[in-house]
Amino acid sequence: GAGVSQSPRYKVAKRGQDVALRCDPISGHVSLFWYQQALGQGPEFLTYFQNEAQLDKSGLPSDRFFAERPEGSVSTLKIQRTQQEDSAVYLCASSLAALLGYTFGSGTRLTVV
Amino acid sequence: SQQGEEDPQALSIQEGENATMNCSYKTSINNLQWYRQNSGRGLVHLILIRSNEREKHSGRLRVTLDTSKKSSSLLITASRAADTASYFCATVGEETSGSRLTFGEGTQLTVNP
Repeated sequence: GAGVSQSPRYKVAKRGQDVALRCDPISGHVSLFWYQQALGQGPEFLTYFQNEAQLDKSGLPSDRFFAERPEGSVSTLKIQRTQQEDSAVYLCASSLAALLGYTFGSGTRLTVV
Repeated sequence: SQQGEEDPQALSIQEGENATMNCSYKTSINNLQWYRQNSGRGLVHLILIRSNEREKHSGRLRVTLDTSKKSSSLLITASRAADTASYFCATVGEETSGSRLTFGEGTQLTVNP
């Protein structure tokens, strides 16, 4: 597609529920990033893929967070046993090459109630 | 954690005026990027300036970089109501794996018609 597509656009989860957030990057983009953005804050890095390899997951806040990109294109961010502090917008970004600008998706707004 | 700080946190101006936003960062960088975010949407890449560059222009945007002071500024000339958005600076560190971005807190710009 022309841009980075994320789904769902909005997700309301009950505390303790598992959720899966999907990112379709721009075709051919090697690098894929996940960021978490709390209300009124700048995005914070979660994890990075180069093709199917997860090269950096240092930003994942706990072992409840898991990301994968098995075929080097679509990526899924999974959050297990959601908690209220997980409420945020989750942004996905992709890039053709390192040291270039990134294209962001519109994000998934997760609300945990 | 956030890389640095942006100021002002909020800026309100009249259409036609210039808007200047500043960003400071803490570590040595490979490049610095500015992004725009409309309410509830993803981030849009505006401009990238490399560490060996001092100034860059793109349309009504002018970005400066002072690596000795670890600071950057974004100037929007002849502002329009449509420029109303949050603006974030983001850095790619010299030793960052995969060129991940570290964002500032952002400046909320309001341009009044």
